[in-house]
Amino acid sequence: QQQVKQSPQSLIVQKGGIPIINCAYENTAFDYFPWYQQFPGKGPALLIAIRPDVSEKKEGRFTISFNKSAKQFSLHIMDSQPGDSATYFCAASMADKLIFGTGTRLQVFP
Amino acid sequence: GAVVSQHPSRVICKSGTSVKIECRSLDFQATTMFWYRQFPKKSLMLMATSNEGSKATYEQGVEKDKFLINHASLTLSTLTVTSAHPEDSSFYICSARTVPDEKLFFGSGTQLSVL
Repeated sequence: QQQVKQSPQSLIVQKGGIPIINCAYENTAFDYFPWYQQFPGKGPALLIAIRPDVSEKKEGRFTISFNKSAKQFSLHIMDSQPGDSATYFCAASMADKLIFGTGTRLQVFP
Repeated sequence: GAVVSQHPSRVICKSGTSVKIECRSLDFQATTMFWYRQFPKKSLMLMATSNEGSKATYEQGVEKDKFLINHASLTLSTLTVTSAHPEDSSFYICSARTVPDEKLFFGSGTQLSVL
């Protein structure tokens, strides 16, 4: 199975909150798990990525938690800001292919 | 991060015409580039993998004669939508992979509207 399931579909938080977006996969051959941020009318921008030999990775306000046994990974955004309002995609990669999740539309209100 | 330039950002064309979209890696060489299609509020769907100097690999269900891909150099891949029809209207996005860390960077996308 090459699907990547992402939830929730949409998320609304207040400024300073910590939105959490979850993704799950089935194919254990995936070896690279990036997160992308996309603003309307723009291409996705790489935020942070993790490989399955690491359980957590933090870059600035963004943290990925990775649970290899459960085949799940999540994105946490600390101290969220209105400028973080965007659509977030998780993805999983093996060989040449990058499979995207269905996306989460995040809105951060002041 | 690496920069991928895509243009045009928006194109409107008449039904039956062909449209070419360019994707360039500006500060790195990309032996592999990818073309995606995205419908409004939907995820990105991989259309094809473009390899420099060889034929593109198309995903199942993507018409290779309709979506012509050329990757003639290490910094340029093109997607030509031939004989475009209204159902081809979509947001097309390219990406390029850096070597050796294999990170994927995306262009800013092309909104195609076929009248």
